[in-house]
Amino acid sequence: DADVTQTPRNRITKTGKRIMLECSQTKGHDRMYWYRQDPGLGLRLIYYSFDVKDINKGEISDGYSVSRQAQAKFSLSLESAIPNQTALYFCATSEGGPYGYTFGSGTRLTVV
Amino acid sequence: AQSVTQPDIHITVSEGASLELRCNYSYGATPYLFWYVQSPGQGLQLLLKYFSGDTLVQGIKGFEAEFKRSQSSFNLRKPSVHWSDAAEYFCAVGPPRGGYNKLIFGAGTRLAVHP
Repeated sequence: DADVTQTPRNRITKTGKRIMLECSQTKGHDRMYWYRQDPGLGLRLIYYSFDVKDINKGEISDGYSVSRQAQAKFSLSLESAIPNQTALYFCATSEGGPYGYTFGSGTRLTVV
Repeated sequence: AQSVTQPDIHITVSEGASLELRCNYSYGATPYLFWYVQSPGQGLQLLLKYFSGDTLVQGIKGFEAEFKRSQSSFNLRKPSVHWSDAAEYFCAVGPPRGGYNKLIFGAGTRLAVHP
């Protein structure tokens, strides 16, 4: 099994719908992150969490919310999806320091 | 402001040729530095990292990178490119000590390899 698992892998949804992207990890890391990737823009941070009681906004949090249900689970919700939220979404975990991130395989979301 | 610049959006090289991908950063202190690779349909995989010591670091798949403090650069190199290296490459920087370890990513460089 993958260290960081994202579900679903692909999703098409309609404008205005609420959608949840899920992330679970077996790394035992405290730090978890949600990024979105857009062509030519790289990865931009949406939300991050240090532990279950610690949730922080990233640079592009508007229109998104998150839930850290457990150390191993970090979900991203789009309350009312809009077409410009069409992107590739990545969950990542980290143990901090110079160790970088472990990424999930991504969720490709299309809002029509 | 903290930022990462990858000046080349697309690069095309011939198989067997050498490769250098550029990365420049703006940061308050010397950050931790990373290179990631993203193959089509895949997540990001760590190629190599620098946080202290020898400024030339070796990574997986035959890649290396050199940290140059005076130029605020961390360029990625490979002496002989293979067709399987075709992918998108991201440079990233992170805080040098603890905390949330938020990484800032560049926009990426897409590498194409001609046979």
